Amino acid sequence: AQRVTQPEKLLSVFKGAPVELKCNYSYSGSPELFWYVQYSRQRLQLLLRHISRESIKGFTADLNKGETSFHLKKPFAQEEDSAMYYCAPRRPGSGGSNYKLTFGKGTLLTVNP
Amino acid sequence: EAQVTQNPRYLITVTGKKLTVTCSQNMNHEYMSWYRQDPGLGLRQIYYSMNVEVTDKGDVPEGYKVSRKEKRNFPLILESPSPNQTSLYFCASSLWQDNSPLHFGNGTRLTVT
Repeated sequence: AQRVTQPEKLLSVFKGAPVELKCNYSYSGSPELFWYVQYSRQRLQLLLRHISRESIKGFTADLNKGETSFHLKKPFAQEEDSAMYYCAPRRPGSGGSNYKLTFGKGTLLTVNP
Repeated sequence: EAQVTQNPRYLITVTGKKLTVTCSQNMNHEYMSWYRQDPGLGLRQIYYSMNVEVTDKGDVPEGYKVSRKEKRNFPLILESPSPNQTSLYFCASSLWQDNSPLHFGNGTRLTVT
């Protein structure tokens, strides 16, 4: 069965500290990998996706196929990074269970001043 | 503006009174989906649709119905709401192409008394 694990429900850091939000998945093959963010009282929005190898708002995410992980990192956290973060793998292609999109349970990041 | 629109934003109802939450997208997306968000449980998929007249169950479909008669609309129907369906609901849509992200609506906060 497809599974996504975000082991930390809550993560609290101080401004300027590094932050890492963990995500492990148990999908066969090579899933597409996304991180979504939800700021207080706002809709979920895409933060970044693995394929783009981009850095958004200072965040990056590295795929480790051996560990089946896609951890989200930022070297210096800012107060405005406080939000709920969701990891969401997706199996590429069409058909069958590929259409079921499972999210992790989310990690609530609080960045303290 | 490209967007996913849900209505209403807030809804308070009583047990057993049928209700519909509407969702509409203007991006010509094939894929649409409903999620519920509950504290500690993250986002859980209720139903999804791969195209017009094609729908399937997600992880928590009990007590819900959907329809997809037009590409842009994907209403969520609760025939006989119960208090355990009190939740925050999100509609999302996507192109079904590799690495296309989900676009989310603003959410509907439903309270069933």
